Amino acid sequence: AQSVAQPEDQVNVAEGNPLTVKCTYSVSGNPYLFWYVQYPNRGLQFLLKYITGDNLVKGSYGFEAEFNKSQTSFHLKKPSALVSDSALYFCAVRDKGKRGSQGNLIFGKGTKLSVKP
Amino acid sequence: NAGVTQTPKFQVLKTGQSMTLQCAQDMNHNSMYWYRQDPGMGLRLIYYSASEGTTDKGEVPNGYNVSRLNKREFSLRLESAAPSQTSVYFCASSDSLQVTDTQYFGPGTRLTVL
Repeated sequence: AQSVAQPEDQVNVAEGNPLTVKCTYSVSGNPYLFWYVQYPNRGLQFLLKYITGDNLVKGSYGFEAEFNKSQTSFHLKKPSALVSDSALYFCAVRDKGKRGSQGNLIFGKGTKLSVKP
Repeated sequence: NAGVTQTPKFQVLKTGQSMTLQCAQDMNHNSMYWYRQDPGMGLRLIYYSASEGTTDKGEVPNGYNVSRLNKREFSLRLESAAPSQTSVYFCASSDSLQVTDTQYFGPGTRLTVL
């Protein structure tokens, strides 16, 4: 079965420093990976996804993620953190389901990012 | 273009009461979903609808029913609410169930069952 793990419950970063939020996955076949962000009392907002091609995926708000097949990882990164980046971040993998090409999102438990001034 | 909208935003129920959570999308998407979010557990899929006229169970369907009223609307019903159903409920939609499609989420409904 497909699964995704976010090993850190919380990540603390100083404003202006680079940030990394970790995600590892377990899939059978090709992985389809997503990152979402949830600001307090809001719904989830799509940041970026990896389907195929370039291992470095660029997304919204200056975020990017690096797909590493050998390490089965899809870490979220940003070169310079902002206080406004403080939020809950979810990694997700698309389950291939019964029909192979279709399926639902399997979410990690989330990582709380705290950026201090 | 409002995206995915949900009503109500907040609700408090007593054990045994029933209610329906409403969801609508204006992106002409075929597929819609209901998730629940609990602390430390991420989001779990309750039900989904691949297209108008079809619904399927997700990971945690017990205690819930759904109706895909038309292409735009997908409702979630709690027939007899239990304290274990206290959660934040999110509706989402996507163009299809294809693994490459992105899901877009509504703002959520915070439900408390006393």
